[in-house]
Amino acid sequence: DGGITQSPKYLFRKEGQNVTLSCEQNLNHDAMYWYRQDPGQGLRLIYYSHIVNDFQKGDIAEGYSVSREKKESFPLTVTSAQKNPTAFYLCASSITSQGSDEAFFGQGTRLTVV
Amino acid sequence: DAKTTQPPSMDCAEGRAANLPCNHSTISGNEYVYWYRQIHSQGPQYIIHGLKNNETNEMASLIITEDRKSSTLILPHATLRDTAVYYCIVRVAKGAQKLVFGQGTRLTINP
Repeated sequence: DGGITQSPKYLFRKEGQNVTLSCEQNLNHDAMYWYRQDPGQGLRLIYYSHIVNDFQKGDIAEGYSVSREKKESFPLTVTSAQKNPTAFYLCASSITSQGSDEAFFGQGTRLTVV
Repeated sequence: DAKTTQPPSMDCAEGRAANLPCNHSTISGNEYVYWYRQIHSQGPQYIIHGLKNNETNEMASLIITEDRKSSTLILPHATLRDTAVYYCIVRVAKGAQKLVFGQGTRLTINP
């Protein structure tokens, strides 16, 4: 089945450790996005990429890093510089070349840092 | 991308039509209106989008005012499973654009 997959669903890490969240899509979409969501809040854009080997910062990029070495993959690293990393992280993808593109979301990774 | 304004919360009785408003007074001529919804602890789901004309699909209808400064998402016969946060977004359809979500409207369907 085509779709976008995030793994793992739940992730626990000790404070001060870097952690990488996986996002893979087999929809042949050009664009991929990472969002952070805190309890009771909306989605905030961390990073986005519209083409392989290129990405841009979103509204809250500090303490995060990404790579886009392959079209289907857009991993997010939460570094030790991120002051409040515990959150729900969502990945999305979309086509950018068509007339009107809808975004498809993964089911999210809930990261807890203790 | 133009910003949107939505009420933080709404209630609707089961079986009735739910009408969710969205203001986007700074929308540009080439920006579409998109609606997504997020059921608790899941990824957002696309509902519908439109440019100028009203649109309808199996999930909902989208009514866009003639001046395009506001729109309404209509769920014609709301069910308990429609309880979710609904996001209205405006963006240019093509090219390298950010996809930015606001706070959305928390819709509660009451039995």
